[in-house]
Amino acid sequence: KAGVTQTPRYLIKTRGQQVTLSCSPISGHRSVSWYQQTPGQGLQFLFEYFSETQRNKGNFPGRFSGRQFSNSRSEMNVSTLELGDSALYLCASRDLRANTEAFFGQGTRLTVV
Amino acid sequence: KQEVTQIPAALSVPEGENLVLNCSFTDSAIYNLQWFRQDPGKGLTSLLLIQSSQREQTSGRLNASLDKSSGRSTLYIAASQPGDSATYLCAVRPGNQAGTALIFGKGTTLSVSS
Repeated sequence: KAGVTQTPRYLIKTRGQQVTLSCSPISGHRSVSWYQQTPGQGLQFLFEYFSETQRNKGNFPGRFSGRQFSNSRSEMNVSTLELGDSALYLCASRDLRANTEAFFGQGTRLTVV
Repeated sequence: KQEVTQIPAALSVPEGENLVLNCSFTDSAIYNLQWFRQDPGKGLTSLLLIQSSQREQTSGRLNASLDKSSGRSTLYIAASQPGDSATYLCAVRPGNQAGTALIFGKGTTLSVSS
């Protein structure tokens, strides 16, 4: 069974640009969550999608948005990039019918210059 | 507001030692607790999941315990190996339902020397 797949693995963007990150969950998992990891703040929750609906949202500005497709794949978009958005963005999937263990992808390393 | 603390922030041990990593949380109302391992620059690997009704879980050389009343969990690693060197993260899912987000500690960075 394939794990959680995130693409791309690395991105370099310029301030003011926008970026889209992709996450394919484990087959059969309909819940996808996104987290931001920085050295100073650690891991912080962005949002969670289930069956194409955002069911939970963290404390991030509106520049951060996401969506989920009917095949459970999810995308995260960050508009008007700032230097402080440089981070490792991690996606997690889980099967809410089972024990809800969260499985993470390898992450996308975003660098804003 | 739930907060998760992991002490120490870093730990260095010689190969073969048994060791304990600590995790504390401020609100005992949790749905479950999960321990992860993270290698530098990589994603998180799930090690153990403990449901709120459970006291411990074991997987190979790893044993995790949960004491909700005191707000503590420990991860015990037996006979440590250099390959165990990584950052270990503890995360709780607060509340009484599965729909809440994981809240993470800052992690303990373990270094095992041969």
